[in-house]
Amino acid sequence: AQKITQTQPGMFVQEKEAVTLDCTYDTSDPSYGLFWYKQPSSGEMIFLIYQGSYDQQNATEGRYSLNFQKARKSANLVISASQLGDSAMYFCAMVGAGGSYIPTFGRGTSLIVHP
Amino acid sequence: DAGVIQSPRHEVTEMGQEVTLRCKPISGHDYLFWYRQTMMRGLELLIYFNNNVPIDDSGMPEDRFSAKMPNASFSTLKIQPSEPRDSAVYFCASNNRGHYNEQFFGPGTRLTVL
Repeated sequence: AQKITQTQPGMFVQEKEAVTLDCTYDTSDPSYGLFWYKQPSSGEMIFLIYQGSYDQQNATEGRYSLNFQKARKSANLVISASQLGDSAMYFCAMVGAGGSYIPTFGRGTSLIVHP
Repeated sequence: DAGVIQSPRHEVTEMGQEVTLRCKPISGHDYLFWYRQTMMRGLELLIYFNNNVPIDDSGMPEDRFSAKMPNASFSTLKIQPSEPRDSAVYFCASNNRGHYNEQFFGPGTRLTVL
């Protein structure tokens, strides 16, 4: 079985500052994938970043980076230089053989960026 | 290239009525997923298809729910009869070569059952 835990229901950050959204996971699979999605108030789910369990380096995509600590089973999303448009729900998800490759999503973290 | 297309975007119906949600995946994607999102339960996978074949429908809540994918460019999720507890946002998503690739989500259908 696999599980995703996002312990922060809500986060606040000042515009232009960096923010870290936490995600821990539980799996016994040696191979798995970790994803982050953004859901703005308009409702659509937008893919942000992916990290494979065997990737040697932390994934980065523009202002998004994934702080992957395999031993701690954490895959935190770091957003640098926050913008007002970053205000949204953020979901962490994983895929692995133990879950029959069915994506498991966390409950999400609501991020509000203040001007 | 157009993204995943869902219709309708909003649906309001009365309890007992049949509801059909539609999805057109991104051309060339061989996996299609149906999700349901509620405040109480978060994002739940209902069913997914690979090459038009249903692979896992263990997330389908009950027999009132059914899903089909008659061809690579079209899928439906049907609820018959609908109940108020089915009110949710239903997402369709697709991806290419499955498991470790990101999913591309449609805009969702907001269903309200009165």
